[in-house]
Amino acid sequence: AQSVTQLGSHVSVSEGALVLLRCNYSSSVPPYLFWYVQYPNQGLQLLLKYTSAATLVKGINGFEAEFKKSETSFHLTKPSAHMSDAAEYFCAVSKSGGSYIPTFGRGTSLIVHP
Amino acid sequence: GAVVSQHPSRVICKSGTSVKIECRSLDFQATTMFWYRQFPKKSLMLMATSNEGSKATYEQGVEKDKFLINHASLTLSTLTVTSAHPEDSSFYICSAPIDRLAFFGQGTRLTVV
Repeated sequence: AQSVTQLGSHVSVSEGALVLLRCNYSSSVPPYLFWYVQYPNQGLQLLLKYTSAATLVKGINGFEAEFKKSETSFHLTKPSAHMSDAAEYFCAVSKSGGSYIPTFGRGTSLIVHP
Repeated sequence: GAVVSQHPSRVICKSGTSVKIECRSLDFQATTMFWYRQFPKKSLMLMATSNEGSKATYEQGVEKDKFLINHASLTLSTLTVTSAHPEDSSFYICSAPIDRLAFFGQGTRLTVV
């Protein structure tokens, strides 16, 4: 079985501040890991993915995430928050050698203050 | 990346009527598509897996007769909410995989009044 836990349902930062959204995973096999972003009343857009290549993954909009096997973590970061980053962020995991149906975390709402 | 188009983006219907939601893969063929339901402030709940040319696979607890899924071609899957009730009001999202990545439609906000 596989699962992800997103710590914190809400994260609030000031514009220009560091963004850190936490995700820990559980998987019995080497995982594929993803971060998706969802804007209000829209579908999910892939931010970045880890598929067993480089552990530091760079995505769109200045986001990046680091796969740390020892910590079973895949935290999402961005050096400087923009107002436009305010959205819901979902971490997801799927099996590297099996079904590609991702299992989603509960989501973290990023709030950016001016 | 690959494009998945979902239509309509919003729909309001009367209680007891049926609503059809379409999910199209625009630039690739999808033998499999997934349908999710998202409650407010909640994660996505996988409802069913749509298989082209065969019956859909429903997750436990999802009513097959309530949520009819048809995958008649390699680029189109439809979800029909039959005899809709206010508790069916939700955000429905489809997804199609390619190269082990899931690409999502824009979602459909269904409101049953």
